[in-house]
Amino acid sequence: DIQMTQSPSSVSASIGDRVTITCRASQSVRSWLAWYQQRPGEAPKLLVYEASTLQSGVPSRFSGSGSGTDFTLTISNLQPEDFATYYCQQADSFPLTFGGGTKLEIK
Amino acid sequence: HLQLLESGPGLVKPSETLSLTCIISGGSFAGSSYYWGWIRQPPGKGLEWIGSIYYRGSTRYSPSLQSRVTISEDTSKNQFSLRLKSVTATDTATYYCAKMLVVGPRVADAFEIWGQGTMVTVSA
Repeated sequence: DIQMTQSPSSVSASIGDRVTITCRASQSVRSWLAWYQQRPGEAPKLLVYEASTLQSGVPSRFSGSGSGTDFTLTISNLQPEDFATYYCQQADSFPLTFGGGTKLEIK
Repeated sequence: HLQLLESGPGLVKPSETLSLTCIISGGSFAGSSYYWGWIRQPPGKGLEWIGSIYYRGSTRYSPSLQSRVTISEDTSKNQFSLRLKSVTATDTATYYCAKMLVVGPRVADAFEIWGQGTMVTVSA
């Protein structure tokens, strides 16, 4: 199985800040990497797929990059609704696996 | 627009079978290239892929659950289902059904649309 490791596990930031979350795969997943946002009590929401393609309707302050084993999700100009937990997921090979999550909290 | 809703018992006894249905509304997937998956999340923990169902009902399962899990679809009823047998307390989780993302002719193996989730507790 491909292990997905996210860092940091939690981060504090203020409204208007820029935050970067990292996801590392235990082996290459090429560009088959997705990012999700999960607010408390809600289902996850797809933000980015194929490492850098923004899902329809997702604000442009979200961006994804990377390939191979190292990926980042960057959120610019943080808004109140962005404080949530973020997960990466590799879609390169079975079993599909998720990172452990990064909780973004208000400073 | 397409919406998904999980349905099933919230409490299952140990050693019994967990059965959930995902009801699809806002569209019909009969004859369409729609693919589906199940994901679960234990309380306070991260996401775990359970399995997915693809073209003509072909399935892929998590190796850790493969011996106990079955995913099937009923296009005539616009629904698909999850069965997990011989459950234990470690199967306690919120279970989500989801539609898989299709990009052009290809399944992207990411989850585009999610149900709201249903909490299932395994307890006597």
